[in-house]
Amino acid sequence: QVQLVQSGAEVKKPGASVKVSCKASGYTFTDYYVHWVRQAPGQGLEWMGWINPNSGGTNCAQNFKGRVTMTRDTSITTASMELSWLGSDDTAVYYCATEGLAFDYWGQGTLVTVSS
Amino acid sequence: DIQMTQSPSSLSASVGDRVTITCRASQSISGYLNWYQQKPGKAPKLLIHAASALQSGVPSRFSGGGSGTDFTLTISSLQPEDFATYYCQQSYNVPRTFGQGTKVEIK
Repeated sequence: QVQLVQSGAEVKKPGASVKVSCKASGYTFTDYYVHWVRQAPGQGLEWMGWINPNSGGTNCAQNFKGRVTMTRDTSITTASMELSWLGSDDTAVYYCATEGLAFDYWGQGTLVTVSS
Repeated sequence: DIQMTQSPSSLSASVGDRVTITCRASQSISGYLNWYQQKPGKAPKLLIHAASALQSGVPSRFSGGGSGTDFTLTISSLQPEDFATYYCQQSYNVPRTFGQGTKVEIK
């Protein structure tokens, strides 16, 4: 069965960077784009961007341009998202999701807390 | 960017009630509209894709409709496990955008 398993919770200081990984299994990794979506505490869902695991091509929301880097390693079927220059408003749960029919499968989420 | 607006933002309903949530796009998105259910502390779950196609395993009391700019999610007979927050999302173009969510609470 399809599974997306994300890395564990992180606590970072303002100005630091965080890297969240998403290990895929149960399907051909290069067949579906991997998207990143975040959710601040008590708030809605915010799309961050996608990576094409086949080509490595990426696209991200304007809000994150210059601050987010999405990569993949096909040898270990893992996608990663690195967000730099963290501020307190980056405190959120970060999700990866595959897009087939829609965002069909989601990771369990990774809580990133930004605090001095 | 395409703005997605859901209404209402929250609603109270009883088990057995028929519930309808509306989602409006700021421009036509044809049928590229998806609905998700999210429970506290959990990842969203896909319910409906392409406006009206029920995801495998989702109960038939959920249905979706609409095209262009106006869409609906209907729960025909609300069950205890349906109390959650529901989000619409457009997959017409990037950036993918979500509605602000509709919280369905117990009356």
